[in-house]
Amino acid sequence: DARVTQTPRHKVTEMGQEVTMRCQPILGHNTVFWYRQTMMQGLELLAYFRNRAPLDDSGMPKDRFSAEMPDATLATLKIQPSEPRDSAVYFCASGLSPRTGELFFGEGSRLTVL
Amino acid sequence: KNEVEQSPQNLTAQEGEFITINCSYSVGISALHWLQQHPGGGIVSLFMLSSGKKKHGRLIATINIQEKHSSLHITASHPRDSAVYICAVRSTSQGAQKLVFGQGTRLTINP
Repeated sequence: DARVTQTPRHKVTEMGQEVTMRCQPILGHNTVFWYRQTMMQGLELLAYFRNRAPLDDSGMPKDRFSAEMPDATLATLKIQPSEPRDSAVYFCASGLSPRTGELFFGEGSRLTVL
Repeated sequence: KNEVEQSPQNLTAQEGEFITINCSYSVGISALHWLQQHPGGGIVSLFMLSSGKKKHGRLIATINIQEKHSSLHITASHPRDSAVYICAVRSTSQGAQKLVFGQGTRLTINP
């Protein structure tokens, strides 16, 4: 059945290394979101794409984070260089309508930066 | 004060009990979501509401737009319902694409 697929599920890396997380949205969905979940902050929006165009990345630290959608089947979130405070679970979600549509979440990528 | 407040933060109950989780919000919204997250697991969207009431199996979600309040009910609760339940709203003031999340309610159902 259709679902949002995220890779990797788990990543442990050292401070300063580049990290790339990938998301395959549900086929046909035109909105893609990246969220970060931490114990302290809960869920926070990092970036939002509609029809592959970035519409809102105000929640993302610009100096080290970047989000792209090279094609309709792939969204990426890159951190370079990574820092221990980036340790979190990163969720991708996709949907059809940004205003009222149902959202479908991936399983998340758990990142630990040592 | 958070724009989305959930209560209670933690809830422990016995199997079979009727469960209610509340969500109050202070902003104008276009829709409200109830999400479920099992320990170490992904997030599942249970309901999306813009008015009235929705039912799916043992789960019922209601929303009162005038009072800016929503409730999630679980009838005949079961240990597998143990999870964190998160209320999230699409705020019209922040751009409806942005979900504003509550802090979550951790539910534990004991056998």
